[in-house]
Amino acid sequence: DAGVTQSPTHLIKTRGQHVTLRCSPISGHKSVSWYQQVLGQGPQFIFQYYEKEERGRGNFPDRFSARQFPNYSSELNVNALLLGDSALYLCASSLRVLQGTGPGELFFGEGSRLTVL
Amino acid sequence: AQSVAQPEDQVNVAEGNPLTVKCTYSVSGNPYLFWYVQYPNRGLQFLLKYITGDNLVKGSYGFEAEFNKSQTSFHLKKPSALVSDSALYFCAVRDMGTRNTPLVFGKGTRLSVIA
Repeated sequence: DAGVTQSPTHLIKTRGQHVTLRCSPISGHKSVSWYQQVLGQGPQFIFQYYEKEERGRGNFPDRFSARQFPNYSSELNVNALLLGDSALYLCASSLRVLQGTGPGELFFGEGSRLTVL
Repeated sequence: AQSVAQPEDQVNVAEGNPLTVKCTYSVSGNPYLFWYVQYPNRGLQFLLKYITGDNLVKGSYGFEAEFNKSQTSFHLKKPSALVSDSALYFCAVRDMGTRNTPLVFGKGTRLSVIA
């Protein structure tokens, strides 16, 4: 079975540009989460989606947005890129949204490494 | 708010020796606890989790972790380290009783196993 797939794997942008990152979850998983991992730090939560609805948002500016499609794939969009947005962006899927009953573990993709010049 | 502390940036251990990677957590209620491993230029791989029940949790690749509620700790252990265990290890926590809380990660501990 295919794991979580992300594209592109690497990309370089300049300040002020826009970027779209894509994620396909494991088949049967309906929840997708996005994390930002800056070099030397742990992953920081950006968004969680379940059944195409946003179920959680981390402490990121409005330049960051996301959506989930009917096939449960997801896009993360970042506008007006800053140098500080350079990071590994991780997508993770799970069987159910992480609420209350049952802590479905997250399965991570390999990430999209974004460099902003 | 929930948080995780991994007090050691780096842990060095000789191959064949036991290893421990430390983690303490803070949540308002009861925790779900996880360990993940990250190899260079890769995503995170799930190792093990604690939900409830036995305080000693066994996971992948011979790793285990011990939940200690009184010390709010969830240390990762392995009886005999391998060079291939060298990687970045992350502890993560989620509050069991709060809706829509994400998984919160520590900053990571780099494990180096020396042959």
